[in-house]
Amino acid sequence: GQNIDQPTEMTATEGAIVQINCTYQTSGFNGLFWYQQHAGEAPTFLSYNVLDGLEEKGRFSSFLSRSKGYSYLLLKELQMKDSASYLCAPMDSNYQLIWGAGTKLIIKP
Amino acid sequence: GAVVSQHPSWVICKSGTSVKIECRSLDFQATTMFWYRQFPKQSLMLMATSNEGSKATYEQGVEKDKFLINHASLTLSTLTVTSAHPEDSSFYICSAPPEREVGEQFFGPGTRLTVL
Repeated sequence: GQNIDQPTEMTATEGAIVQINCTYQTSGFNGLFWYQQHAGEAPTFLSYNVLDGLEEKGRFSSFLSRSKGYSYLLLKELQMKDSASYLCAPMDSNYQLIWGAGTKLIIKP
Repeated sequence: GAVVSQHPSWVICKSGTSVKIECRSLDFQATTMFWYRQFPKQSLMLMATSNEGSKATYEQGVEKDKFLINHASLTLSTLTVTSAHPEDSSFYICSAPPEREVGEQFFGPGTRLTVL
């Protein structure tokens, strides 16, 4: 079967760094996406990894290890507006995104 | 980036009525659009894949006669919730992948449906 495993909730302090881990099992693999979703809003695209390694984009970085079925999203210099849910979504062999429940990130001053 | 719009943003209706939700790709063509439903604090649930010029593909457990999907053009897909009931109250989101690009889906802003 297909499965996504992320922590349900994490708390971090403004200005700090946080790493959100994701492990996955899919039928085939065509890359992995990270999306941000604020409460009551649709998801917005953050990153896409298809090869192993780290992709850096400003304050956000995403890492992928295909052999381990593992990815993480790293957020630096946390801001209050980063409080949101972060969704790890691998793409299966049919190019369909597999969604988990996401990680709710709470930023405290 | 590509833009997907959804209309209406929110709707309140009486039980038994039908509600139509539109999803438009504004600056690209989308032969495929996806319809999701999301209940509070739960993951996105794919309801169906809308295909331009052909029938939609529904996920297991989604009633195709209740959730009518029409993808009449390369920029417009509609979802009609027929005979809505309170349990249909949810956040409905559409998304579309740009042509010839792997994967990234652009999401519409979502439609909050409340059935009284």
